[in-house]
Amino acid sequence: AQKITQTQPGMFVQEKEAVTLDCTYDTSDQSYGLFWYKQPSSGEMIFLIYQGSYDEQNATEGRYSLNFQKARKSANLVISASQLGDSAMYFCAMREHWSNYQLIWGAGTKLIIKP
Amino acid sequence: ETGVTQTPRHLVMGMTNKKSLKCEQHLGHNAMYWYKQSAKKPLELMFVYNFKEQTENNSVPSRFSPECPNSSHLFLHLHTLQPEDSALYLCASSPLETGRPTGELFFGEGSRLTVL
Repeated sequence: AQKITQTQPGMFVQEKEAVTLDCTYDTSDQSYGLFWYKQPSSGEMIFLIYQGSYDEQNATEGRYSLNFQKARKSANLVISASQLGDSAMYFCAMREHWSNYQLIWGAGTKLIIKP
Repeated sequence: ETGVTQTPRHLVMGMTNKKSLKCEQHLGHNAMYWYKQSAKKPLELMFVYNFKEQTENNSVPSRFSPECPNSSHLFLHLHTLQPEDSALYLCASSPLETGRPTGELFFGEGSRLTVL
């Protein structure tokens, strides 16, 4: 079974609108971390935001926020006031407590911002 | 200059060739990684080096041979590859926190490999 599921292979959003990218995860660990990365067409993966399983508040970084719903095992990325430069692939990833190095990655969502 | 630099950006090789991918990081990190990214598949971790010691080898075929001469440089030596090895190969580094890598990875732009 997939541990990270991103159900939206692609999304089109109008510029300046908010967008939510879905991510659900599966783990039996109590301690884990969730990450979102952005990959523009240049290829470089860019870290966006991190949420720890024990963090009580949703993480925020500028226009990015993570809607963390632990009981539902979801960690959706919200981008407010989208910009043309937000067009990219977005990946959700998880690190379980037992793993020192292994990030488990989702298949990604391709986001296209329309002018 | 980005923190993690990969060369070459594009590589086309035949199945009998020997080539190498190079990664260099200027961030002072002690953990370095090779990932493989194939179309429509999640990222696959290949190798991890921590303080120049290989700590992870995710059942990667021996036709891929990593080398980490120091904590700033990482190589991936390629020989007798197969067409299914065509992919984007991403190098990443991460800092350590209490001796354990943080999950925040800093990636290079990747080397796009095509095996004919």
